[in-house]
Amino acid sequence: NAGVTQTPKFQVLKTGQSMTLQCAQDMNHEYMSWYRQDPGMGLRLIHYSVGAGITDQGEVPNGYNVSRSTTEDFPLRLLSAAPSQTSVYFCATFPGGARREQYFGPGTRLTVT
Amino acid sequence: GDSVTQMEGPVTLSEEAFLTINCTYTATGYPSLFWYVQYPGEGLQLLLKATKADDKGSNKGFEATYRKETTSFHLEKGSVQVSDSAVYFCALRGDTGTASKLTFGTGTRLQVTL
Repeated sequence: NAGVTQTPKFQVLKTGQSMTLQCAQDMNHEYMSWYRQDPGMGLRLIHYSVGAGITDQGEVPNGYNVSRSTTEDFPLRLLSAAPSQTSVYFCATFPGGARREQYFGPGTRLTVT
Repeated sequence: GDSVTQMEGPVTLSEEAFLTINCTYTATGYPSLFWYVQYPGEGLQLLLKATKADDKGSNKGFEATYRKETTSFHLEKGSVQVSDSAVYFCALRGDTGTASKLTFGTGTRLQVTL
């Protein structure tokens, strides 16, 4: 049981490049989310999904796309990277129902030059 | 909207000292409250939680009590260890709106020295 896995762990991009951050979970959780962590700002929600085929925007969605074709996977796409997207990105899952804690992946550190 | 305010760090303590990290929140209704811990180079781990007023969450010697009257959820530990050095995040989930969304404080870095 690997929990929540994220790849890659580190990535450096040039401005304008595109890439996909991968997130996978083996806990059969319906809810999945992407957060970004910036110094002095805590974590902010980018996009989330309440189940396969359903996604919605969080508080900082601009510049990012997501899709959820399966319960297990929730990739985050940067179509044209900008230096403002330099951050640490965390994927999280949530089983829903009465249990309310989220489970976080180890993170991807992204630098855009 | 919902918000969480944590005391700014870093907090530097000697081993076996008493720890308090203050956390207050603004939310409508009855949010669930959490403390997450992030060790260097790792993701966030749930440390403890409380889902209703007067609940006390506890884990690994850490405690926090959900105080609705003061809208607070302060983290305490009676005797810290060097291994407790990490960043601690207070967070809430509101009882309305997006179930997936946690609102985080800015985090408090704790450094424990021998």
